[in-house]
Amino acid sequence: AQTVTQSQPEMSVQEAETVTLSCTYDTSESDYYLFWYKQPPSRQMILVIRQEAYKQQNATENRFSVNFQKAAKSFSLKISDSQLGDAAMYFCAYRSAGGATNKLIFGTGTLLAVQP
Amino acid sequence: NAGVMQNPRHLVRRRGQEARLRCSPMKGHSHVYWYRQLPEEGLKFMVYLQKENIIDESGMPKERFSAEFPKEGPSILRIQQVVRGDSAAYFCASSQSARETQYFGPGTRLLVL
Repeated sequence: AQTVTQSQPEMSVQEAETVTLSCTYDTSESDYYLFWYKQPPSRQMILVIRQEAYKQQNATENRFSVNFQKAAKSFSLKISDSQLGDAAMYFCAYRSAGGATNKLIFGTGTLLAVQP
Repeated sequence: NAGVMQNPRHLVRRRGQEARLRCSPMKGHSHVYWYRQLPEEGLKFMVYLQKENIIDESGMPKERFSAEFPKEGPSILRIQQVVRGDSAAYFCASSQSARETQYFGPGTRLLVL
């Protein structure tokens, strides 16, 4: 079974600085998707970024980028120029690309605080 | 284009009562997923439905929980005879197809007294 591990329960960053959130996963599959979701205090789940495993190029979305290391099964999220609005819980998630199920498997989350 | 809608946003039930949670997927989406988030935990998959069919219910408790996604109307997650351990946030997500990204609704916070 696939698992997702986020080893940093909490992180803190100064406004305008850069922070990296870690995520590792375990799978025997070769084709899959990886995601980062953000959950602010409102608790709405918001998609931040998505990566297809078959793509070697790391995904980027404005200030958000990932470092995808397929061999190491690592998928970290880098937030540049951190803003107060980035404060939230961040969840890493895995989804198989094949098979009948499309369920997302989530890590336990990293709570990011942004200091002014 | 309206996002995924869930109602009610907050639901309070006493032990033994029934809870019905509704989810309207985004326009054009025919795949619906339910997840549960217990306090201080990540989201856990419960069930995946496509119009009128349950595709995967491997994460749903065998007793008291059921889900449906009829041809017309929203998807319903039903919890019978609720217990305090059912208190959680229940999120619905939808996607246009099986391979597309899942977009989440705002969640329903269920509190069982």
